[in-house]
Amino acid sequence: NAGVMQNPRHLVRRRGQEARLRCSPMKGHSHVYWYRQLPEEGLKFMVYLQKENIIDESGMPKERFSAEFPKEGPSILRIQQVVRGDSAAYFCASSPLPGLAGLYEQYFGPGTRLTVT
Amino acid sequence: GQNIDQPTEMTATEGAIVQINCTYQTSGFNGLFWYQQHAGEAPTFLSYNVLDGLEEKGRFSSFLSRSKGYSYLLLKELQMKDSASYLCAVRDRGYSTLTFGKGTMLLVSP
Repeated sequence: NAGVMQNPRHLVRRRGQEARLRCSPMKGHSHVYWYRQLPEEGLKFMVYLQKENIIDESGMPKERFSAEFPKEGPSILRIQQVVRGDSAAYFCASSPLPGLAGLYEQYFGPGTRLTVT
Repeated sequence: GQNIDQPTEMTATEGAIVQINCTYQTSGFNGLFWYQQHAGEAPTFLSYNVLDGLEEKGRFSSFLSRSKGYSYLLLKELQMKDSASYLCAVRDRGYSTLTFGKGTMLLVSP
């Protein structure tokens, strides 16, 4: 049973380029979350998606960042015109459909480490 | 606003017991999670509390007091491999997103 998969694991971009990060949730999970982890900082929530829907994007920067989770294929986090401050580890997590009660912990992928030069 | 506090670093000796505290002030509460994260790796789930009290799971236990906004993670019989960052997270918005503390770096020495 494969876990959450993210690729690439490492990504180097020059300032001004675009970065595309991909996340495939665990089998049977329909909810995807993206988090960013800066050095010496905690994980910060960015966006929560279900298939074809953005549920909560309150943690996304207003410009240059976008996310999608299409009906088919992985979830994509896109960063346009990257700047040095975007250098961080980006983690994707997935969970099954939340119910009225229960654990429903989020399972994390291995992360994509983005370096902007 | 959301605020989750935990110590930055702790050290302990192999075989000992260590308690990592977490206090939180969030606009809502629907569960508290502890994750372990080794350097350069993904966080892995350790424990979950939604009701007051102690949850035990092998060498790891987690306690919650909702009235005090307080939790701790207790690690017994420490092993070298327990050296990692321990993340406290609160699920505060419905049943979805997690708000994380900055993590406590635990160093276990021989």
